[in-house]
Amino acid sequence: AQSVTQLGSHVSVSEGALVLLRCNYSSSVPPYLFWYVQYPNQGLQLLLKYTTGATLVKGINGFEAEFKKSETSFHLTKPSAHMSDAAEYFCAVSDPFQKLVFGTGTRLLVSP
Amino acid sequence: DTAVSQTPKYLVTQMGNDKSIKCEQNLGHDTMYWYKQDSKKFLKIMFSYNNKELIINETVPNRFSPKSPDKAHLNLHINSLELGDSAVYFCASSQVAQSEAFFGQGTRLTVV
Repeated sequence: AQSVTQLGSHVSVSEGALVLLRCNYSSSVPPYLFWYVQYPNQGLQLLLKYTTGATLVKGINGFEAEFKKSETSFHLTKPSAHMSDAAEYFCAVSDPFQKLVFGTGTRLLVSP
Repeated sequence: DTAVSQTPKYLVTQMGNDKSIKCEQNLGHDTMYWYKQDSKKFLKIMFSYNNKELIINETVPNRFSPKSPDKAHLNLHINSLELGDSAVYFCASSQVAQSEAFFGQGTRLTVV
């Protein structure tokens, strides 16, 4: 069965610092991987996705993620954090039965 | 011009009551979902419909009954509400299997 592990329930960075949110997955088939962001009292918004092809994927708001099959990882990065990046981030894997399996989420805190 | 819209956004009700949450998508997608987000932000799928047919029914109490009158609508009816049903319920849709899901803004259900 597919599963996702997000290391760190909270990550704190200073404004302008590198953002690194970790995601490891387990999948019995080639995975489709996603990162979503959730702002307070909002729904989930897709940041980026990996399906096939290029392993480095770029998303909205300057985020990118790299699919590493050998490490079963799909970490999310952003070179320079902005205050507006403070939110909850979810990594997800799509299973063959058309559902998304989410990680437990990582809250990103950005300090001035 | 919301893509996935849910109503109501907030729902406060007493134990034992029956309530419904409505969802509509104008994206032309074939697949719709209900996800539950608990107080720890954990997201878990409840149901999935493809072109009005139920394709995923996770281990959800029988008190929860989804209904899809057409492929643009997926409603969730909950009977005999319990305190433990308090959560945020998200409707989502996707075009094809394993593609990204688009989420509504969520319905925060509070059972008192």
